[in-house]
Amino acid sequence: QQQVKQSPQSLIVQKGGISIINCAYENTAFDYFPWYQQFPGKGPALLIAIRPDVSEKKEGRFTISFNKSAKQFSLHIMDSQPGDSATYFCAASSPTTSGTYKYIFGTGTRLKVLA
Amino acid sequence: DVKVTQSSRYLVKRTGEKVFLECVQDMDHENMFWYRQDPGLGLRLIYFSYDVKMKEKGDIPEGYSVSREKKERFSLILESASTNQTSMYLCASRVGTRLSKQYFGPGTRLTVT
Repeated sequence: QQQVKQSPQSLIVQKGGISIINCAYENTAFDYFPWYQQFPGKGPALLIAIRPDVSEKKEGRFTISFNKSAKQFSLHIMDSQPGDSATYFCAASSPTTSGTYKYIFGTGTRLKVLA
Repeated sequence: DVKVTQSSRYLVKRTGEKVFLECVQDMDHENMFWYRQDPGLGLRLIYFSYDVKMKEKGDIPEGYSVSREKKERFSLILESASTNQTSMYLCASRVGTRLSKQYFGPGTRLTVT
């Protein structure tokens, strides 16, 4: 119930192609869904996020699609570039017993974009 | 921009040693978090703190403790380090509201031999 399942584990895409990473969850208490991008040697950084009352959010080449009934959300990277090569984590925000919120992270997808 | 700093980038300790990992944030955030990152397992929450001296267990708290005596500083303690605690440790902080952005430090690569 507290898991976020992420696939694929790794992805290789040609430059200019579309990268798609999928996540699924079970817990309907999850109410905010960010994506984080991590380059080697760095900590993860927020890329884009979506609330469950919205079905799609787009920021530049990055789009989140959200399907509330299926409890699935995905990240699409259009016109993928070698500079997008990184590890991507989906996450879901979960309320805690102390009244704050914590993120449950997926297992990560290592994306490599070939030049 | 928000800065989250961690005391060491790399650390090598021996089995049984007591290990302290320090994290400092400069934006007056209420919430601070400690994660460990392992290949194929993603980011797993060890402990978090929602206020000074207040803490809550995450998903994998066994073998760890934490301390938060000041708002800006959150320490992770390995009471008796073991080889299965060899990992990348990431600290994060954010404001306590639901939709707030979470900021991560650069990580500490801990090796226990």
